[in-house]
Amino acid sequence: GAGVSQSPSNKVTEKGKDVELRCDPISGHTALYWYRQSLGQGLEFLIYFQGNSAPDKSGLPSDRFSAERTGGSVSTLTIQRTQQEDSAVYLCASSENGGNSNQPQHFGDGTRLSIL
Amino acid sequence: GQNIDQPTEMTATEGAIVQINCTYQTSGFNGLFWYQQHAGEAPTFLSYNVLDGLEEKGRFSSFLSRSKGYSYLLLKELQMKDSASYLCAVRDNTNAGKSTFGDGTTLTVKP
Repeated sequence: GAGVSQSPSNKVTEKGKDVELRCDPISGHTALYWYRQSLGQGLEFLIYFQGNSAPDKSGLPSDRFSAERTGGSVSTLTIQRTQQEDSAVYLCASSENGGNSNQPQHFGDGTRLSIL
Repeated sequence: GQNIDQPTEMTATEGAIVQINCTYQTSGFNGLFWYQQHAGEAPTFLSYNVLDGLEEKGRFSSFLSRSKGYSYLLLKELQMKDSASYLCAVRDNTNAGKSTFGDGTTLTVKP
């Protein structure tokens, strides 16, 4: 597709369940970012991929959060044993090159996660 | 790390000019981005500055002073559709080049 695609667009699940969020970046974009945004708040950085490796995982809030990227393309963010404070919109972005380029990030529409 | 400050809210009148400021403290700087985010939508790229000075793009301009750790986004001839949140993001100069976002400035344009 032309843009960054995320699925599902909405996810409602019970506390304690695991969830998997998917991001399909723009074709050819080597850099991929995951962010979390709570209502009325700014973007909270979670993790950054350059190709299949993650040079910066510093934003992952706990060991319940993990992410992987395969084939330099699709990425999945997994949250285990979800808690109510995990409720937020999870945004994925991709850009053409890595950290030192002037290419902006292109964002997907996000996954709205609600933990009951 | 990065620390980014923006005003939380601003209000302006249709047809007017508004300036949204962003100040940052950083351990390493490699560019500043402005994004626009309408409610319930994803952020979209507006501008990029890495050198001091003004970048103009239609009704929108962005200014950077690296020595002062300061940027502003200038919106001219405001339209109702410009009501949105405006996010300032600073990229660090490590290989990871992570961008840290401010909390955004919510702009309301009134008739």
